[in-house]
Amino acid sequence: AQKVTQAQTEISVVEKEDVTLDCVYETRDTTYYLFWYKQPPSGELVFLIRRNSFDEQNEISGRYSWNFQKSTSSFNFTITASQVVDSAVYFCALSETPGANNLFFGTGTRLTVIP
Amino acid sequence: EPEVTQTPSHQVTQMGQEVILRCVPISNHLYFYWYRQILGQKVEFLVSFYNNEISEKSEIFDDQFSVERPDGSNFTLKIRSTKLEDSAMYFCASTLRGDGYTFGSGTRLTVV
Repeated sequence: AQKVTQAQTEISVVEKEDVTLDCVYETRDTTYYLFWYKQPPSGELVFLIRRNSFDEQNEISGRYSWNFQKSTSSFNFTITASQVVDSAVYFCALSETPGANNLFFGTGTRLTVIP
Repeated sequence: EPEVTQTPSHQVTQMGQEVILRCVPISNHLYFYWYRQILGQKVEFLVSFYNNEISEKSEIFDDQFSVERPDGSNFTLKIRSTKLEDSAMYFCASTLRGDGYTFGSGTRLTVV
């Protein structure tokens, strides 16, 4: 069965610090998708990134970067030069393929950026 | 950018009452989902719907829950007799083929 572990329940950083959110997953499938979602205080789920299991290339989008390592079953998320607006709960999620299977979410990491 | 729309944004209901949560998925999407998030907890899968039938459901999705796609646009979640523990945020999501899921902004259900 699939499992997503976000061991960091809460993290606090001072503005402009870098922060890495950890995500470790388990799946028996060889093909799958990994996702990160942001949930700001307003409550909606905001899509950040999708990565399929065949693409281990790291990705950078502005201040955000993701490190996918199949060898350690990890998909970590780094925010560079954090800002107060980054304060939110961040969820890592897994979807097994083929087909549009449901997303299985981790328990989330609450990030607080202190001005 | 296309959106998934959920109504109402907040609903308060008395225990034992029936509630219907409504969602309008993205028009060309084929797969539809309901998820639940109890306050402060993780997002949990309830049910998926494809080709006008349930494709998968979790153990949370018991006989009190049902889903419908009554027309070409709406996707509803009905809770027949609400319990206090049904209080949660309910998210609707849709996808075309599973490589990207769009979530609605949620309905906060409060059972009193």
